[in-house]
Amino acid sequence: KAGVTQTPRYLIKTRGQQVTLSCSPISGHRSVSWYQQTPGQGLQFLFEYFSETQRNKGNFPGRFSGRQFSNSRSEMNVSTLELGDSALYLCASSFLNMGIAGPSSYEQYFGPGTRLTVT
Amino acid sequence: GDSVTQMEGPVTLSEEAFLTINCTYTATGYPSLFWYVQYPGEGLQLLLKATKADDKGSNKGFEATYRKETTSFHLEKGSVQVSDSAVYFCALSEDNDMRFGAGTRLTVKP
Repeated sequence: KAGVTQTPRYLIKTRGQQVTLSCSPISGHRSVSWYQQTPGQGLQFLFEYFSETQRNKGNFPGRFSGRQFSNSRSEMNVSTLELGDSALYLCASSFLNMGIAGPSSYEQYFGPGTRLTVT
Repeated sequence: GDSVTQMEGPVTLSEEAFLTINCTYTATGYPSLFWYVQYPGEGLQLLLKATKADDKGSNKGFEATYRKETTSFHLEKGSVQVSDSAVYFCALSEDNDMRFGAGTRLTVKP
């Protein structure tokens, strides 16, 4: 089974621009979570999508947004980039069944990340 | 709310030394507990897990035991290798919510 894939792997943008990152979860996983990782702040939760709906949200400004498509692929968008947005953005998928009979597991499987550099 | 606290790093050990990375948690119910490892330039990988009290998770020589009485899930390895150099994250999952610790950087020197 293929793992979580993220594109692009590396990105360089200029302050004020916007960026879109993509994540394809493991086949059959319907939950996708996004994290920002920086040396100073560590791993910070951005948001989670399940069945095309945002299920949880971290404490980030509205410049950070996301969405999920019917095939469970997810994108996150950052508008008006700031220098402080430079980070490794990680996507994680999990086999989550919400209110549906059958197995469910919230252990998360991570992609390799997208390294965003804002200059 | 639920939270995870793990020992601050960095931790530097010589090859073949014994490793312990402490992790304690706060939860209202019965969470599942995890250790993830992140090698340089990569995402997090699930290292091991335990889903109920007294369970022992193990993988690649690493072990951790779910201790409900002390709310702990310490990571241990009897003999570390240079290739174990990485950042280790303790995490818990309860009610379909995931919490990560701050991470502990381990460096193993030859």
